Amino acid sequence: GAVVSQHPSRVICKSGTSVKIECRSLDFQATTMFWYRQFPKQSLMLMATSNEGSKATYEQGVEKDKFLINHASLTLSTLTVTSAHPEDSSFYICSAREETDYSTDTQYFGPGTRLTVL
Amino acid sequence: SQELEQSPQSLIVQEGKNLTINCTSSKTLYGLYWYKQKYGEGLIFLMMLQKGGEEKSHEKITAKLDEKKQQSSLHITASQPSHAGIYLCGAGQEGGGADGLTFGKGTHLIIQP
Repeated sequence: GAVVSQHPSRVICKSGTSVKIECRSLDFQATTMFWYRQFPKQSLMLMATSNEGSKATYEQGVEKDKFLINHASLTLSTLTVTSAHPEDSSFYICSAREETDYSTDTQYFGPGTRLTVL
Repeated sequence: SQELEQSPQSLIVQEGKNLTINCTSSKTLYGLYWYKQKYGEGLIFLMMLQKGGEEKSHEKITAKLDEKKQQSSLHITASQPSHAGIYLCGAGQEGGGADGLTFGKGTHLIIQP
């Protein structure tokens, strides 16, 4: 199946700093990528949809100025957590949509990034 | 908004036994995805169902979508330690996969030797 990578896998930062997380589709092109957040023992919550060449679409309640998304190419999307605070500590997972037929495409997920804000 | 309810929340099964996990949607499903997750890791794609009554199998795992497209089940035959993990069902949006998925809370599967 298609492979999606994330970097870094773990990051610890001080409160107030910014952290960038990369999501790459390794063997396919993805015009659409998605960013999810997962708190301990909870399910994944969609944060935003990253579109190559256009602005990201954010879910209700997600601050676009805090979570900056850039879909620089067909294989790379980045999520930057700006002015991180301890409550931003979470597991961030991206997915990339492999486009085959529009009605049957599949989302493949990266391995996730564990962010800890001290 | 669409909600997915998974049952059971957790399941302990003796190795070699069969098991079933259910996923029920509050709305019609236009694409139902099953993923497996090890704690603290990414999601592994298992199967995707779209049509009412559809059934797919991969190795010892079979997933079904009911005719009304509001419920799906995941069945594992002769469970093995490698099946342990968190199983998540995710629902796509009407019109295809251009939108992100809504997930259930997951079923935590433990396989006892």
